[in-house]
Formats: sequence, C-alpha cells, structure tokens
Amino acid sequence: GNSVTQMEGPVTLSEEAFLTINCTYTATGYPSLFWYVQYPGEGLQLLLKATKADDKGSNKGFEATYRKETTSFHLEKGSVQVSDSAVYFCALSRSNTGKLIFGQGTTLQVKP
Amino acid sequence: NAGVTQTPKFRVLKTGQSMTLLCAQDMNHEYMYWYRQDPGMGLRLIHYSVGEGTTAKGEVPDGYNVSRLKKQNFLLGLESAAPSQTSVYFCASSYEWDTYNEQFFGPGTRLTVL
Repeated sequence: GNSVTQMEGPVTLSEEAFLTINCTYTATGYPSLFWYVQYPGEGLQLLLKATKADDKGSNKGFEATYRKETTSFHLEKGSVQVSDSAVYFCALSRSNTGKLIFGQGTTLQVKP
Repeated sequence: NAGVTQTPKFRVLKTGQSMTLLCAQDMNHEYMYWYRQDPGMGLRLIHYSVGEGTTAKGEVPDGYNVSRLKKQNFLLGLESAAPSQTSVYFCASSYEWDTYNEQFFGPGTRLTVL
C-alpha cells in the first residue's frame, strides 16, 4: 500500500545549524509529495511540494527534491532559526486523488 | 478572509456522550476533509466530501458520522464517544481534487473523552 515514513524525532539543533529531516515513501502510480509544517498551537500549513520526479520544492529557505530512484523527499535547510521550531510532516497524494497520506511527523526544536 | 475555522477549540466529554464538531471555510472550496492527529501517527483521514451533499469514508471512519449540507460547512459527529476518540481533530479544504493540490487546515479541536 501507500505509506510515508519519516525519521523519528525530536530533532534538536542550535541556531544556524544545517537541518535534514528524512522522508521515504511507498506508493503506486505517480504521487505528488509535500512537506507541511505545524507551528505550536496552529493547524498545518503547506511548506513546499513537488509533483514529479527530480522536481525541487523550495520555500522560506527549505528545500526538498523528489527522488524516484530512492523513493525519498528529504527536507533540508542550510541555517535554521529559532522560529523554525515546529512539527514537520511529509505527505504524499496518490495519482488522481486529492487525499493525503501523512508521515508520523518530526518535531524540530532550535535553541538559541 | 478567515480561511478554515473550527468550533469548538477544546472539549471534554464523558464516555457515551455525543457531540458535533463544526468546520467552516470561506474560500468556496469544493472539497473538505476531517483528520485526527495522534502522537506518533501523523494525521489520518476520517471522512471527506467532494461537494455539497456528498460524503465518503476515509482511513479511520468507525465511530464517526459527517454531513455536508452547505458547501462551506462540514460537520463531524460522534454519536457515543469512547476514550479511543481522544485526539486532536483537524478540518481541511481544497479547491480541486487532484494529486498536486494544496489543502488548507483549520487550527484544530482538542477532544478528551473520559
């Protein structure tokens, strides 16, 4: 079946450190891939997305590349800030459907 | 433009009680969704709607019912609450039904069933 697996958290980093959050997926067809972010006390909001293989999504300094050969969509940021502290969810949307399948979420805490 | 709103924000129920969660969106979106979020499990789809008057089951529909009488509203009902339904519930909406479309989420309702 279709599924998304993220690295376990929490991830604790110092400000300006490099961030990688791993995400791998299993899917039939040609899914689109997403990263959503949930700031404390809020709902989820879209951070970035990629709709086909080799596409790179980017937003607010975050990047992720859709790697079909490794079925991965790792999230990276070169220099994290305290304000990036949140829960990050990797998700996929299967072909011809609007339904999302989420990973378990990874908590990021950035310390000054 | 409020986006997606949810009522109430918090609720405590006793086992066996019933309640309805209300989701409203002002973006004229056709598609709406209810998810539950549990620790270590991400978000799981309960029910969804592809238009006014339609509903469909998602991944974890048991114990829940939904209605979409108006395009802007999507109601989630618990007829007889159980402790296993303690969770954070999120409503979302989207403009289109396709693989690359963004979903917009409400702020969530934290429900505790004692």
